[in-house]
Order: sequence, then C-alpha cells, then structure tokens
Amino acid sequence: RKEVEQDPGPFNVPEGATVAFNCTYSNSASQSFFWYRQDCRKEPKLLMSVYSSGNEDGRFTAQLNRASQYISLLIRDSKLSDSATYLCVVNPGGKLIFGQGTELSVKP
Amino acid sequence: DGGITQSPKYLFRKEGQNVTLSCEQNLNHDAMYWYRQDPGQGLRLIYYSQIVNDFQKGDIAEGYSVSREKKESFPLTVTSAQKNPTAFYLCASPSPGPNTEAFFGQGTRLTVV
Repeated sequence: RKEVEQDPGPFNVPEGATVAFNCTYSNSASQSFFWYRQDCRKEPKLLMSVYSSGNEDGRFTAQLNRASQYISLLIRDSKLSDSATYLCVVNPGGKLIFGQGTELSVKP
Repeated sequence: DGGITQSPKYLFRKEGQNVTLSCEQNLNHDAMYWYRQDPGQGLRLIYYSQIVNDFQKGDIAEGYSVSREKKESFPLTVTSAQKNPTAFYLCASPSPGPNTEAFFGQGTRLTVV
C-alpha cells in the first residue's frame, strides 16, 4: 500500500461547480498535512495546511479525519484558474511524502 | 529574497554519463530534499538531509548520490547506474516546526539523449 494515495483523476468540471478531492495515508503517526497546487511544468506551491479542526481559505476548505486517516479538499465555485494538479502531502515525521496528484480541469 | 535555486533549468545527458544537479538555499533551513517527478505522476523522494553532513535514502535512491557538506547546498548526482533518468527533478527545503511548508526550487528537467 502506498504511504499516500489520492483520488485518481482527471476531474473535468464546469465553472462554478463544487469539487472534492480525497487523500488517504497509511502512517497513523503522521503529524502534519498539506495540500499543494502544481501548474504544468512548474514547481508545487503550498495551497493550504490541514488542521485537525478543519480550515477554510476563501473557496477552499480542508478537512482532516485522523480516525479514518484521510484528508480532503473542497473547492467551491470553481474558476478556470483553478485548473491544476492538486497534491496531498503528509509528514510522518522527518520527511514529506507526496501523493500522486489529482488533475483538475475547469471548463467554461 | 530568500529561496531555493536549482540549476540548470534544462540538462541533457548522454547515456553512460554522470551529471550533477545543483540546489542552493539561503533560507538557513536545516533540511533539504530531492524529488523526482515523471509525467502525470506525483513526487517521489530520492534523498533527504535533515542536517549538514547527514543524509538518508528516500524511496528511489538507487542510481543517485548526494552530499551535504554545507548547509546551503545539497547537490544530486545522477549516475550511469540510473537506468531511466529522464524526469523533472525538484529540490525542496521545509521550514522548521511541525506545520512545515516546503519551499521548492524551480526544478531541473533532465533528458537523456
């Protein structure tokens, strides 16, 4: 089993749609969790950290479920500019492990 | 501005050659990482270093080597033993603390010709 697994993509959605990504992790001792965004042929950039209580940043909401060992990212009112690959990242202690990424394509 | 600098941006290698990818940071971070990304794939950890003069193998270390003689520098050598080296290589350095954000360089795209 991979340490971090994400929903397989791609997700193709119309503008204004709500889309959710899920990510599961295998190491129950994992300490911190993140969502990164990666545009084509560029380096990943931090989108948001994921806290136990859940957190929201504008149209983006991240949730953590430690009991079931998964994290989620919800994007509301999708924009064309949201098209990218979204990477789930888990820190089990001492290193950052990336999921394989989920590609999102928002269409007009 | 503080950040991570990778060079070169594009690199072409002949089969059988060793090449070294540069990664320099001026963030004063202790930890540095090397990842490999293949088309349509996530990032796979090659090597990581938590502190100067120390490093550990990641998930796909075979065919690669690193050194960490200075805090600012973490070069990656792709050796001839790496059978499929064509990929996008990313160097990263997380900030200290539990909720660490990883800062990335702009990457080096290596192609074997």
